[in-house]
Amino acid sequence: AQRVTQPEKLLSVFKGAPVELKCNYSYSGSPELFWYVQYSRQRLQLLLRHISRESIKGFTADLNKGETSFHLKKPFAQEEDSAMYYCALSGDWGNQFYFGTGTSLTVIP
Amino acid sequence: GAVVSQHPSWVICKSGTSVKIECRSLDFQATTMFWYRQFPKQSLMLMATSNEGSKATYEQGVEKDKFLINHASLTLSTLTVTSAHPEDSSFYICSAISGTGGSPLHFGNGTRLTVT
Repeated sequence: AQRVTQPEKLLSVFKGAPVELKCNYSYSGSPELFWYVQYSRQRLQLLLRHISRESIKGFTADLNKGETSFHLKKPFAQEEDSAMYYCALSGDWGNQFYFGTGTSLTVIP
Repeated sequence: GAVVSQHPSWVICKSGTSVKIECRSLDFQATTMFWYRQFPKQSLMLMATSNEGSKATYEQGVEKDKFLINHASLTLSTLTVTSAHPEDSSFYICSAISGTGGSPLHFGNGTRLTVT
């Protein structure tokens, strides 16, 4: 069963426009949710995690348990935000990680 | 920050041979390491989870005899693709975690395997 769903494979926005990358999950316990980013020719790296409730590079994500969503948002997109973004879920015991299919974000200058 | 080193970055091998990929946590002890496979334009697919000193847990559909995982120490896990076939050609990524329950993953750079 698909635990993490990212409905958009490709997303293009203009520089300065708001951006939202959608992520929905399915998990019966208490998962931890993360966003990972992969810039061109670089390794996957953690962008943010829901338990820390921090904002990294202007991005935020709020865990909505009612809607089982963890959408990633940024009010003003920058060109350097162009990358592949993966939503991930960690199970109760932290010993399994499930990834969504990823969303390729392109910020148009 | 935590660094995971994966080696080799790319490898070409002949069909029928075996290939070993190493994953090392350089500055932390990895309680758990994960191996993923990524097909073009598809998501990371979890292959197996390995904990130091114990047998790896394989995801459904992943052949444990074909993809041998060894996690001999808290800083090293290896994935051996045995009797490789062209359909095993893929991008393999390892990741490691230093804690439990919500600790983030740290990824290696991945290994591009091409089987001819």
